[in-house]
Amino acid sequence: DTAVSQTPKYLVTQMGNDKSIKCEQNLGHDTMYWYKQDSKKFLKIMFSYNNKELIINETVPNRFSPKSPDKAHLNLHINSLELGDSAVYFCASSPSLSSYNSPLHFGNGTRLTVT
Amino acid sequence: QQQVKQSPQSLIVQKGGISIINCAYENTAFDYFPWYQQFPGKGPALLIAIRPDVSEKKEGRFTISFNKSAKQFSLHIMDSQPGDSATYFCAARGGDFGNEKLTFGTGTRLTIIP
Repeated sequence: DTAVSQTPKYLVTQMGNDKSIKCEQNLGHDTMYWYKQDSKKFLKIMFSYNNKELIINETVPNRFSPKSPDKAHLNLHINSLELGDSAVYFCASSPSLSSYNSPLHFGNGTRLTVT
Repeated sequence: QQQVKQSPQSLIVQKGGISIINCAYENTAFDYFPWYQQFPGKGPALLIAIRPDVSEKKEGRFTISFNKSAKQFSLHIMDSQPGDSATYFCAARGGDFGNEKLTFGTGTRLTIIP
């Protein structure tokens, strides 16, 4: 059973399009995240949600809109895609936001290519 | 600005050797320092972590050494194996209560050669 699952695994689209990435976790965790990994493998947090509430919005362009319908799901919608949005997007979850021993569990990523 | 600097960018070690990856941080308010391991096509996975009140933590072949005064910590992989070939990220946790986040280092691509 996959703990954190993302769909799709690959996404190829043209500039200007709108796309969504879905994420689900079956670990019963309270907190979910979106991370972006660029071509140099640098991992940067984009958003975190705790019990469906937005906690961190790391100065991400407002073309990116996360939505958490329930605490097991965190989706990412991207409007007006740009070439610079090409990256691997990772969803992650953790038991809680503030406690120690609350490791991140990552999904296997969605490779977004904007042409 | 919260930063975690990681070196080297890439590392090649012979099988059976010791792999050492170093990280340095600036923010003394960081309170938790994990290492993540990432294989190609997969998400990062927690490998080992340490709190700043401890100078060393060992789990199997993996050891974190932590130097609070120097604001540095390192990952040592003893008896390195080809299966250890992966990208390794150090990280540090910081932020106001209820707003904590992990800041990752830039990653080290480790290759273990036979």
